[in-house]
Amino acid sequence: EAQVTQNPRYLITVTGKKLTVTCSQNMNHEYMSWYRQDPGLGLRQIYYSMNVEVTDKGDVPEGYKVSRKEKRNFPLILESPSPNQTSLYFCASSLWYQETQYFGPGTRLLVL
Amino acid sequence: KNEVEQSPQNLTAQEGEFITINCSYSVGISALHWLQQHPGGGIVSLFMLSSGKKKHGRLIATINIQEKHSSLHITASHPRDSAVYICAVSWVDSNYQLIWGAGTKLIIKP
Repeated sequence: EAQVTQNPRYLITVTGKKLTVTCSQNMNHEYMSWYRQDPGLGLRQIYYSMNVEVTDKGDVPEGYKVSRKEKRNFPLILESPSPNQTSLYFCASSLWYQETQYFGPGTRLLVL
Repeated sequence: KNEVEQSPQNLTAQEGEFITINCSYSVGISALHWLQQHPGGGIVSLFMLSSGKKKHGRLIATINIQEKHSSLHITASHPRDSAVYICAVSWVDSNYQLIWGAGTKLIIKP
């Protein structure tokens, strides 16, 4: 089954404790991206990747890191989480950025 | 500034009504996307279109490139259509990014 998986689905952590949210797709897609969604603000892109080892900042990259060492995986790293990073996070993939987007199920993060 | 504006922000209707959600944008685009976000949070793509009209079941999406406007129609609406509908565009001079609308929250009452 074609899908984008994210783990964990729910995470409660404390300020400053490094965490990683994993994202994996099995569709051989070139383009992958991370979004955060906050009430009233819609989807905002954090980082995106056009291929292995090619990543770029989206609209709200501060406080986040990503890597794309393999085509299928695109982890999101919060080196020192802060409460303003409490949000719903989505990973998405597509053949290319203009093409149909496939979203993961989302990760709800609470930073205390 | 490149923007995508959706209207209305919120829409409540009775079951069976014909629904229209609008999306306007300000730049030349290569494609426009309509997505649905379920109350549980999951997001699925409904349509990707660059011209004309597409239909899938009770959903119809149209786009007018000259007017920079797209509409999503739902015929014979049902409570299970209750969701947030999101418009996004890939624009001609973009830096490999989509521009996202804020979404339209639709509630269909039985």
